[in-house]
Amino acid sequence: DVKVTQSSRYLVKRTGEKVFLECVQDMDHENMFWYRQDPGLGLRLIYFSYDVKMKEKGDIPEGYSVSREKKERFSLILESASTNQTSMYLCASSFRADPFYEQYFGPGTRLTVT
Amino acid sequence: LAKTTQPISMDSYEGQEVNITCSHNNIATNDYITWYQQFPSQGPRFIIQGYKTKVTNEVASLFIPADRKSSTLSLPRVSLSDTAVYYCLVVPTGNTPLVFGKGTRLSVIA
Repeated sequence: DVKVTQSSRYLVKRTGEKVFLECVQDMDHENMFWYRQDPGLGLRLIYFSYDVKMKEKGDIPEGYSVSREKKERFSLILESASTNQTSMYLCASSFRADPFYEQYFGPGTRLTVT
Repeated sequence: LAKTTQPISMDSYEGQEVNITCSHNNIATNDYITWYQQFPSQGPRFIIQGYKTKVTNEVASLFIPADRKSSTLSLPRVSLSDTAVYYCLVVPTGNTPLVFGKGTRLSVIA
C-alpha cells in the first residue's frame, strides 16, 4: 500500500513564526502536492512538484514556499505564519505517468496559528 | 477546466442505495470523471474513475450518460461508515492539477 505520512497531526504556532510541514511518501512517486482545506471552501492547491527541485504554483501560493530536495520528501514552508493560515494541510503524491489520475493523500496536519 | 456541480449534502438511512449526481456541462473530449471520498480527519481517497457508460468496483458504481455532461456515483446499501464527503472531479489528461470542489456531505442515519 502507498503510504503518505505527514510530520504532525496537530501543530500550534504563533504569529510570525516560521513553520515547516513535512511530507514523505514511500512509493517512489514523482509527483507531490500540498493542499489546504477549509470549511466551506473544499481543497485548494498550494504548490506541486513533478520532480526533485522542481515546483509549480497552485491556486493559492501566497505566503507559502516549498522544498523538494529528495524524491520522497516535499516540505511546505510558512515563512511568517499568520492567523489566516490556520487550516488543515494535506499532502498527496502520484505517479508521473498519469499525474492526476489517482492521488494518494496523507492524514493531514491541522495547523493553528495564534 | 470543466466546472462541477453537486449537491452540498444528502441524508440516507442504512441499507439504502445512494446516488449522488454531478453535473459537468463543459467537459472536454479527453476528460475523465473521478470521485474521491473523504472521512472526517483524513485525507481524500480515490474511489472510482470512468470515461463513459458504466464502471463498477468493490466500493461503488459510476454511471456516465452518452453526452457525458453529468455522472452519478452509486453506493449500494450504505452503512454508517459511508458517512463522508464525496468529491466529483473532472480530470483532464496531461499535467493539469486536480480541482476539488466543495463536495457532497453524505450522512447515513441508523
